Amino acid sequence: EVQLVESGGGQVQPGGTLRLSCAASGFTFSNYWMYWVRQVPGKGLVWVSHINNDGTSTTYADSVKGRFTISRDNAKNTLYLQMNSLRGEDTAMYYCAREIPDYRGNWFDPWGQGTLVTVSS
Amino acid sequence: DIQMTQSPSSLSASVGARVTITCRASQNIITYLNWYQQKPGKAPNLLIHAASILQNGVPSRFSGSGSGTDFTLTISSLQTEDFATYYCQQSYSTPLTFGQGTRLEIE
Repeated sequence: EVQLVESGGGQVQPGGTLRLSCAASGFTFSNYWMYWVRQVPGKGLVWVSHINNDGTSTTYADSVKGRFTISRDNAKNTLYLQMNSLRGEDTAMYYCAREIPDYRGNWFDPWGQGTLVTVSS
Repeated sequence: DIQMTQSPSSLSASVGARVTITCRASQNIITYLNWYQQKPGKAPNLLIHAASILQNGVPSRFSGSGSGTDFTLTISSLQTEDFATYYCQQSYSTPLTFGQGTRLEIE
């Protein structure tokens, strides 16, 4: 079964740090680009960052650029999101997702169950 | 960035009803459009990719259509398990962007 399982969320004070992990199983992790998408409770989905299959290329939303770092360990089948200088507006559920590339476009399947990050004093 | 606008933002309907949700892109995205379903407390789940291709395992009462800037998701006969929030997402260009969601509630 193709599966993604996030961990590492929690409550942290403004200015603090967290590292999220996303453990992949059931597929050849090193063949796929991976994404982080976040969702403020009760709100919509927002792309945060993505990384190519070998980890040599990363892209970030402007809102997190310079504060968050995406990385991956293909030997461990794990995706990471290092989150520094956290702000209240970073409070959200964070999902990892596998990108399926196709000539007809790209889509996300599957998604992990999410890990909640709360930034509050 | 490409803006995705869904309508309506919320919708009430009865079991057995036919429902259509619209998604409009701020520029031509050809058919690079996906639809996801999200139930409360759960992760999004892919329903349709490339505007009209049903994901494996998704019931045939779901269908998608459109090209260019205007797209629709149709549920032909609502079932209890279909009450959820639906999101469109464009994959024409980075950043990949989502619509704001359409919440489908039981009438």
